[in-house]
Amino acid sequence: EVQLMESGGGLVQPGGSLRLSCGASAFSVTSNYIAWVRQAPGKGLEWVSVLYPGGTIYYADSVRGRFTVSRDFSEDTLQLQMNSLRVEDTAVYYCATPHPVDYDRSGLLIYYFDHWGQGARVIVSS
Amino acid sequence: EIALTQSPDTLSLSPGERATLSCKASEFLRNNFLAWYQQKPGQSPILLVSGASSRATGVPDRFSGSGSETDFTLLISGLEPEDSAMYYCQQYSSSPPTFGGGTKVEIK
Repeated sequence: EVQLMESGGGLVQPGGSLRLSCGASAFSVTSNYIAWVRQAPGKGLEWVSVLYPGGTIYYADSVRGRFTVSRDFSEDTLQLQMNSLRVEDTAVYYCATPHPVDYDRSGLLIYYFDHWGQGARVIVSS
Repeated sequence: EIALTQSPDTLSLSPGERATLSCKASEFLRNNFLAWYQQKPGQSPILLVSGASSRATGVPDRFSGSGSETDFTLLISGLEPEDSAMYYCQQYSSSPPTFGGGTKVEIK
């Protein structure tokens, strides 16, 4: 059974940086599609980023230019580097496995999420 | 981006009753590309349904999804106490994937 595990959450001041990591059992994070989804306190789910096995990465408009996704092939983990953090970035960050279905009219992969990690809590506050 | 509107915000029902959750899309969802997730407090979401009506592995058959185009429904027949949770729909007809605001199901 696929199990995802996030780590690296914590408290950071506005403008600061934080790095999350995502690993898995029974699944290679660096060889498959993998995504980040976040959930602000008491709110719904928001897609953050997706990484394709070939290395292509897409970001939500709300984080583009501030967040960077990368892979550590030696550890088989995924990193989410979050810079210039804002109060509104406060959320639980989940890594999740996209289940590829097709491509949309723009040629972008479309998918639902079939496995989720337990989440890493990020609090941005002064 | 395709917006999803879920209703009602909260459903409060007794065990054994039927829950009807609605999810409306701002645009036509091709091939009924809509998924439903269940999320219990303090836990991560769990996939219930994909393709609007295909139950995920291990999901009890009291959960059933239906609908097409812009209007979708998740029906929970014979509510059990463990069905108390938030339920979210997600469209994957176009990128980026988007989620509805959720419906909270409370068991009296």
